[in-house]
Amino acid sequence: AQSVTQLGSHVSVSEGALVLLRCNYSSSVPPYLFWYVQYPNQGLQLLLKYTSAATLVKGINGFEAEFKKSETSFHLTKPSAHMSDAAEYFCAVSSGNTPLVFGKGTRLSVIA
Amino acid sequence: DARVTQTPRHKVTEMGQEVTMRCQPILGHNTVFWYRQTMMQGLELLAYFRNRAPLDDSGMPKDRFSAEMPDATLATLKIQPSEPRDSAVYFCASGLGAEASTDTQYFGPGTRLTVL
Repeated sequence: AQSVTQLGSHVSVSEGALVLLRCNYSSSVPPYLFWYVQYPNQGLQLLLKYTSAATLVKGINGFEAEFKKSETSFHLTKPSAHMSDAAEYFCAVSSGNTPLVFGKGTRLSVIA
Repeated sequence: DARVTQTPRHKVTEMGQEVTMRCQPILGHNTVFWYRQTMMQGLELLAYFRNRAPLDDSGMPKDRFSAEMPDATLATLKIQPSEPRDSAVYFCASGLGAEASTDTQYFGPGTRLTVL
């Protein structure tokens, strides 16, 4: 069975500061990993995904994530936070031909 | 700009009533997912379909929930009878369906259900 653990249900950063959202996965087979973002009162939308190509994946809105097999991690980063980045972020894992398993989410607050 | 649409956006009902939620996937997408989101449980997969056939509905309470795709442009999720613990936001998502594990899912705006 596969699972995802997102460390920190709430992260708060200052505008312009580094954003780091942590995700660790568990999978018995090579995983595919995703980050989705959910803005208030909206559905989720894909930020980026890792599907066994380059381990450093670049996504929309300046976000990127690095797949580290040795650490079973797929942390999401952005060099400089913007007020518009305030949202809930979900890490998800899948493998084989199974659908996504989502983490509990991390709410990002950006302070002016 | 193709989008997944869901109706209704909000539904308030009384315990015991039937609730039907509808989803129109993006045209050309052949995979449809139903999720439930609550504060306590997070995002849970209820069921998913490929080419209108149910592939997995193990996440659904079978006695009261049912999911169908009458045609390629409509997916429905029904709860009968509804209970207060069903209060949640229900999301529909669709995908191209090439591979369930790598496919990008496109989410609708959700139906916020409140059962009194």
